[in-house]
Amino acid sequence: RKEVEQDPGPFNVPEGATVAFNCTYSNSASQSFFWYRQDCRKEPKLLMSVYSSGNEDGRFTAQLNRASQYISLLIRDSKLSDSATYLCVVNGAGGTGRRALTFGSGTRLQVQP
Amino acid sequence: ETGVTQSPTHLIKTRGQQVTLRCSSQSGHNTVSWYQQALGQGPQFIFQYYREEENGRGNFPPRFSGLQFPNYSSELNVNALELDDSALYLCASSLGQPQETQYFGPGTRLLVL
Repeated sequence: RKEVEQDPGPFNVPEGATVAFNCTYSNSASQSFFWYRQDCRKEPKLLMSVYSSGNEDGRFTAQLNRASQYISLLIRDSKLSDSATYLCVVNGAGGTGRRALTFGSGTRLQVQP
Repeated sequence: ETGVTQSPTHLIKTRGQQVTLRCSSQSGHNTVSWYQQALGQGPQFIFQYYREEENGRGNFPPRFSGLQFPNYSSELNVNALELDDSALYLCASSLGQPQETQYFGPGTRLLVL
């Protein structure tokens, strides 16, 4: 079983749609959680951190459920520029030390005009 | 941009050769982490350096080694290259706190023939 699991997609949605991505992680001792965005042939860039209380940044909302070891990302009013791969990331998983980031394989989003 | 730089941007090597990749961290950051990203996968943690000491290692063989210098820049060395080493190599810098955000450089794309 992978330490961080995501649906690979692709998710093809029209502009203006709402889309949700889910992620599960296996290590209950994981300490911090993030969503990164990666454009084609570019480096990952931090989209947002994820907190147990849930957090929102404009059109993006992230949720963490520690009991279920489940993380979600909701994108409202999708834009063409949202097309990218979204990586679910956990810090402190996998026995590699608290500082190592463990990435899911990513979920690809394609927003259509 | 993150202020993290990597060199070279692209590299082609043959099996059995050795390669050195370089990373300059963001100003003020004392921690550098290295990741390998194969096509279609999320980045995989190789190792991390904190104040010139290795501070955690992922599931990579000893032919992957590294250094961190007093100015906190870092090198990743790979000996006896194999075809499967073809990937994007990313470095990320941070201040070294366990739950802190890591900022990625643009990566070095390595092709092993």
